[in-house]
Amino acid sequence: GENVEQHPSTLSVQEGDSAVIKCTYSDSASNYFPWYKQELGKGPQLIIDIRSNVGEKKDQRIAVTLNKTAKHFSLHITETQPEDSAVYFCAASREGRRALTFGSGTRLQVQP
Amino acid sequence: DTAVSQTPKYLVTQMGNDKSIKCEQNLGHDTMYWYKQDSKKFLKIMFSYNNKELIINETVPNRFSPKSPDKAHLNLHINSLELGDSAVYFCASSPLAVSYNEQFFGPGTRLTVL
Repeated sequence: GENVEQHPSTLSVQEGDSAVIKCTYSDSASNYFPWYKQELGKGPQLIIDIRSNVGEKKDQRIAVTLNKTAKHFSLHITETQPEDSAVYFCAASREGRRALTFGSGTRLQVQP
Repeated sequence: DTAVSQTPKYLVTQMGNDKSIKCEQNLGHDTMYWYKQDSKKFLKIMFSYNNKELIINETVPNRFSPKSPDKAHLNLHINSLELGDSAVYFCASSPLAVSYNEQFFGPGTRLTVL
């Protein structure tokens, strides 16, 4: 089955800096890669996703890149703000399997 | 107005008891899921239902029994609770018509087994 590895497990940045979280996946058939943000006491919330026919996607301060050959994808947050502090999860799934395989999460702390 | 709702939010119980967690979605989605998040925050799929039919069962002990009375509801019943069942359980849903799994999560139920 699919295995998703995520790094780093914790990340501390100063407000205004950029943050990068990286994930690798094992199943070459995976074709959908969402990123979720989980705030304390809440459920994961989808913030951006990318499909295997696209190499990069951007939404304001958030961008995701995908390298299918190397089987890795990354989340980039620019101009970080204290409200970006949360746990971020990458995930992967493939056509026909209606479940997500999650990475182990990255706790992002943005210092004001 | 809530898209995916779960009850209760907190559940504290003794070992050996039987308990249920309820989930409802008002998004008109066809597929619903249960995920377990352990103390290290790791999220793992337990079950997936599509139009009331079980499609994924990820080697979960048979003490866990999901039930879907209709496509808007997916409940989780747990028999003979054990200490290791303590976790946060998340319900999620996604539309069948979308081939990519854009899943929407509920707020979670924190289960503590004493």
